[in-house]
Amino acid sequence: EPEVTQTPSHQVTQMGQEVILRCVPISNHLYFYWYRQILGQKVEFLVSFYNNEISEKSEIFDDQFSVERPDGSNFTLKIRSTKLEDSAMYFCASRTSGRETQYFGPGTRLLVL
Amino acid sequence: KNQVEQSPQSLIILEGKNCTLQCNYTVSPFSNLRWYKQDTGRGPVSLTIMTFSENTKSNGRYTATLDADTKQSSLHITASQLSDSASYICVVSASRRGSTLGRLYFGRGTQLTVWP
Repeated sequence: EPEVTQTPSHQVTQMGQEVILRCVPISNHLYFYWYRQILGQKVEFLVSFYNNEISEKSEIFDDQFSVERPDGSNFTLKIRSTKLEDSAMYFCASRTSGRETQYFGPGTRLLVL
Repeated sequence: KNQVEQSPQSLIILEGKNCTLQCNYTVSPFSNLRWYKQDTGRGPVSLTIMTFSENTKSNGRYTATLDADTKQSSLHITASQLSDSASYICVVSASRRGSTLGRLYFGRGTQLTVWP
């Protein structure tokens, strides 16, 4: 069964460094999402992406964040200058159409020191 | 303000017993409601999805109900198994006028622990 994959599974970085989290959505999916989950808290929406552009972003998704679909398969989340509070699990999700179920990847656990 | 509240926060039951998890929401305009299961350190996995017109849906031992008038949903798990130990998250999608894109609002989840 096709699934969303994410790399790396874990990343440790120093505050102020740039990180790129990578996702490979399910191949025939058209809508892509990033979420984050701070330890012990609820999953929070970051951004949705469709037709090669951001369709919606939350207040969390400030100028330090960017997303890109550099080729036909990868979907990346870049954090330009990480802060301690960026430490969280980051989930990528994708779906075929706007009304269908989103399939989540296994997540990347980011730790900013 | 769009919110999703779940109760209880955590629940411990014995293997083989049934349990019911609750979800209240204020998301508007409502599109659909989903229950996800999230194992520790993993991504959420969809269990059920219900639209406005559906008031019950089953998936194996999981049965979800929806009362769109009172904006409440429940997830009933029958004959619990050790592998049911996970966080169960209620997720409500808000519709957008003129768009098929729906933003998801997550509850904090109910942490279920099944003991042998």
